Formats: sequence, C-alpha cells, structure tokens
Amino acid sequence: DAGVIQSPRHEVTEMGQEVTLRCKPISGHNSLFWYRQTMMRGLELLIYFNNNVPIDDSGMPEDRFSAKMPNASFSTLKIQPSEPRDSAVYFCASSSIQGIGTEAFFGQGTRLTVV
Amino acid sequence: GENVEQHPSTLSVQEGDSAVIKCTYSDSASNYFPWYKQELGKRPQLIIDIRSNVGEKKDQRIAVTLNKTAKHFSLHITETQPEDSAVYFCAASRTNFGNEKLTFGTGTRLTIIP
Repeated sequence: DAGVIQSPRHEVTEMGQEVTLRCKPISGHNSLFWYRQTMMRGLELLIYFNNNVPIDDSGMPEDRFSAKMPNASFSTLKIQPSEPRDSAVYFCASSSIQGIGTEAFFGQGTRLTVV
Repeated sequence: GENVEQHPSTLSVQEGDSAVIKCTYSDSASNYFPWYKQELGKRPQLIIDIRSNVGEKKDQRIAVTLNKTAKHFSLHITETQPEDSAVYFCAASRTNFGNEKLTFGTGTRLTIIP
C-alpha cells in the first residue's frame, strides 16, 4: 500500500479563493483524521470520521471550513473563503479499529499558503 | 476534553547522552499514549506507544513509561545519535474498540550535538 495520499502537496492561493484538499486513506482503514499544523498551535485535530461518518468536528475553526467523506477511500477538506491565517500544513491520517489504541498513519501533508 | 502538556519545548543533548521528554494528560479515561517523531518537512511517524494496562515499554534505545495515577508519561531515548534530532510529539486518546481522537502535545524539538 502506498500509505495515506494527500493532494496537492503545496497550494498557494489568494485570499478569498476556495481551497480543496484531498486525502486517500490506507485501504481497509475505517477512521480518518484531518489535522492542521502551525508553529504557534502545533498539531490540532480539525475533524475525524469513523466509517465515513463525521464523529467530532469541534476542532473546525469556523464555518469557512467543511469536510466530507463520501466513501471509504476519499475525503476532502474545503476552505471557503480562504484567509491568510489559514496558512498551515494540513495532514490527513487514517487508522483501523483494533481494540484499544491503534497507530494513526499520516499523509505527507499539504502546505497551504494564502496570500 | 483531553488536554496534553509536553515539556520541554526544546532539548539539546550531547551525542551518546540520554534524552527525556515528559507529558501530562487531563482525562483519566485516556488509555492509549503514542509518541510520534517528525523530521523537518516530513510527516509525523509513530515510534512507540503504550497502553494503560502496562507501565513501561521498551524498543531498543527508546522506552516509554506511564504513571496512570499521576497522569503522566515519558519518552526516554538512550545513547542518542544525530539521526534522533527531530520534533517529538506525545499524544493521548480514549479508545475502546473504536478509534477516538488523538490529542497531541505541543512538541519537543530535540537537537543532538555531535
């Protein structure tokens, strides 16, 4: 398996534009997480899905952010409209249910720059 | 919700010496505690984890200890090498036959001095 695949790897956009980040989890994994990483705030969980259902989106900063998981092999994180403070590295991670505690595998991340 | 605090934020040690990173958590129901290593420009990767039913786990030069009563856990790296230089994150989650969110600490930047 190629691991968790994210696209694009880098995104530069102008303030006010819509941005869509994509993630393909590891085949067979049934949990998917979106994290945002900044120097100031570290790794923050934005939202996570179990079996394609959003379980906790309390980390989504505001209504400009939305996430979907239409099937087990694909998820998107959308920012509309984007703002300079959204600049960060966005990681997608996936894991599978194996009782107590399971490793989360991270994708390579998408570095977003909003100018 | 869970709150994880991590110390120190930066740590420099001489090559060959040991490094210790400490974390505390707030949710007494948390039962899974992984440690991730992130090299510059790369993704976080799991290096070791511990579950609440054990107090210590070791894998070669890396060990993790857990004190459930005090709600803290620590990462120990012995005989440090230059390739150990990275940012290390602790995390905690409450899982029970289902994945629940990992709450991360703020990270420790470890620098190994040759």
